[in-house]
Formats: sequence, C-alpha cells, structure tokens
Amino acid sequence: DAKTTQPPSMDCAEGRAANLPCNHSTISGNEYVYWYRQIHSQGPQYIIHGLKNNETNEMASLIITEDRKSSTLILPHATLRDTAVYYCIVRVGYGNKLVFGAGTILRVKS
Amino acid sequence: DVKVTQSSRYLVKRTGEKVFLECVQDMDHENMFWYRQDPGLGLRLIYFSYDVKMKEKGDIPEGYSVSREKKERFSLILESASTNQTSMYLCASSPPLSLGREQYFGPGTRLTVT
Repeated sequence: DAKTTQPPSMDCAEGRAANLPCNHSTISGNEYVYWYRQIHSQGPQYIIHGLKNNETNEMASLIITEDRKSSTLILPHATLRDTAVYYCIVRVGYGNKLVFGAGTILRVKS
Repeated sequence: DVKVTQSSRYLVKRTGEKVFLECVQDMDHENMFWYRQDPGLGLRLIYFSYDVKMKEKGDIPEGYSVSREKKERFSLILESASTNQTSMYLCASSPPLSLGREQYFGPGTRLTVT
C-alpha cells in the first residue's frame, strides 16, 4: 500500500490560499490520490481526487506532479470554516478501502 | 446530496452489553463501511459490505459483527462491549467502482463503554 506523508499542521490567513502538500513517493500507476477533511466532531468529508491530471471543483484544486510522487491541495480563499484536519489518501484495494493517516491540521486565522 | 445518518451521536453502555449501531444511506450505494477513529490511530476499517447480505472483514474486526439485510442499512454489532471499544464510530457509503470512488461519511457515534 502506498503511504502518504503530510506536515502535522499549517496556519493560513483568512482569505488567502491554503496550499497543503502531500508526498506519496511509492504510489503505483493505477492508484488515485484522494483528499478528505474532517471538521471537529463531524465525519470526514470528501473534497477531491485525481489520477495524474490536475483537478478542480467547487471546493478546491488538486495539483499532482508529473512523476505523481507528490500533490498539493489548494483552497483558493480559505475561510474560518475551513479549519479542519486534511487527509491525503492513496486508494488501495477492492471495496474502496481508504487508509487514513494522521493528516494536516489546518488552522485558518482572521 | 448524499445523506448518511447514524442512529445516535452519543451512546453510553456498560461492559458486557450487546450494542447495535445503525447506519442508513439514501443514495442507493452498493458499498457501506464501518470505521472507528481513535486519537493517534486515525481511522481504522472494521467491516465493509459491497452488497446486501455480503460482508468483508476490515483491519480490526475482532469483537464486532455486522448485518446488511437491506441495501440502505448497515448495522455494526458489539456482541459484548468492552472498555477498549470506547471510540468514535463512523459509517460511510460509496457507489460501485465503476461510478466513483468517493466515500460519504455519517456524523459519527461517540460510544463510551463503562
């Protein structure tokens, strides 16, 4: 199973872009990169996923390097409600099993 | 919007009791999952189901069983609750592989076993 490495915490000013990095150097060719977040006392929330191309949706953008060994989640205009733990996950196996690591605690400050 | 609901947000049970945690999803998803979340350990998969009456063990199935009699409902059963099963329990559902891979989570049940 491919593992991911994320910084334990980051701070971001409200209204600025939040860039959350993730390393996944052992990712295999058919594994996707997923991002979820978990706001305190709630269940995890799906944000975005990608294989090799950059992706964008209403919540965020995902930039994956050409060698696929790392990626960056971008929240373009962070708000206080974006304060959460952000998980970078590489999908493994049949049945959609997700393996959650420790994640990055993002604190958005006014 | 996909909705995954769990029967209780908070539950307190005594050691040895049989505990039922219920999860219902309204998106006709084939796959359903039960995780537990503990500080420092992240989310760990207990069981999952990819169809009615089908179940597969996850990483930590010991002490748990599951039931899926209807597509929308997936129950987690603690046959004889123990204090080390005090945890946050999260249910999730997802469409089949051909349609997507994202999982949708419920709000969680914080179970305390005394």
